[in-house]
Amino acid sequence: DIQMTQSPPSLSASVGDRVTITCRASQSISDYLSWFQQKPGRAPKLLIYAASSLQRGVPSRFSGSGSGTDFTLTITSLQPDDFATYYCQQSYSLAAFGGGTKVEI
Amino acid sequence: QVQLVESGGGVVQPGRSLRLSCAVSGFTFKSHGMHWVRQAPGKGLEWVAVVSYDGSEKYYADSVKGRFSISRDNSKNTLFLQMNSLRGEDTAVYYCAKDLYHTSHGGPFDYWGQGTLVTVSS
Repeated sequence: DIQMTQSPPSLSASVGDRVTITCRASQSISDYLSWFQQKPGRAPKLLIYAASSLQRGVPSRFSGSGSGTDFTLTITSLQPDDFATYYCQQSYSLAAFGGGTKVEI
Repeated sequence: QVQLVESGGGVVQPGRSLRLSCAVSGFTFKSHGMHWVRQAPGKGLEWVAVVSYDGSEKYYADSVKGRFSISRDNSKNTLFLQMNSLRGEDTAVYYCAKDLYHTSHGGPFDYWGQGTLVTVSS
């Protein structure tokens, strides 16, 4: 099974900051990597798929990069609505999620 | 608009069974794989199972293999999860989710339901 490791588990940031979250796969997954945002009590929301493709309706301050085993989600100029938990997910071999990164004030 | 509505959650004793349903609308149900994903209280997301667009292929997480069964009724636009031999560690919010692609078995998941809570406790 493919294991997904996210870092950091949590981070503190301020409005306007540039935030970077990393995700590492236990084996190469090409670009079969998605990023989700989840707020308390809500279902996850797809932000990025195929490592770098922005889902319809997602603000352009979100971007994804990487391939193989190492991936990055970047939020340029953090907004109040962006404080949430972020998960990466591989779809190379069925599905598996990273442990999550909580972005806090 | 796309809607996924789960039902069937509740409190159940260990060892008993429960069947979840997910009614969908707003997209061509029979053209997409469908998944169940769960989240234990205060924990992260865990993929549970997938069924292909036509129901011919089904795959499960090791944690539920042999106990859970995923199925679909394309005539009724409904997804199911039959959960048997339930354990305390199965306590979670269960989400149904739509696969972005026609033939993928792993997502990504572009639409999610609101979730239904399953509590396994004596």
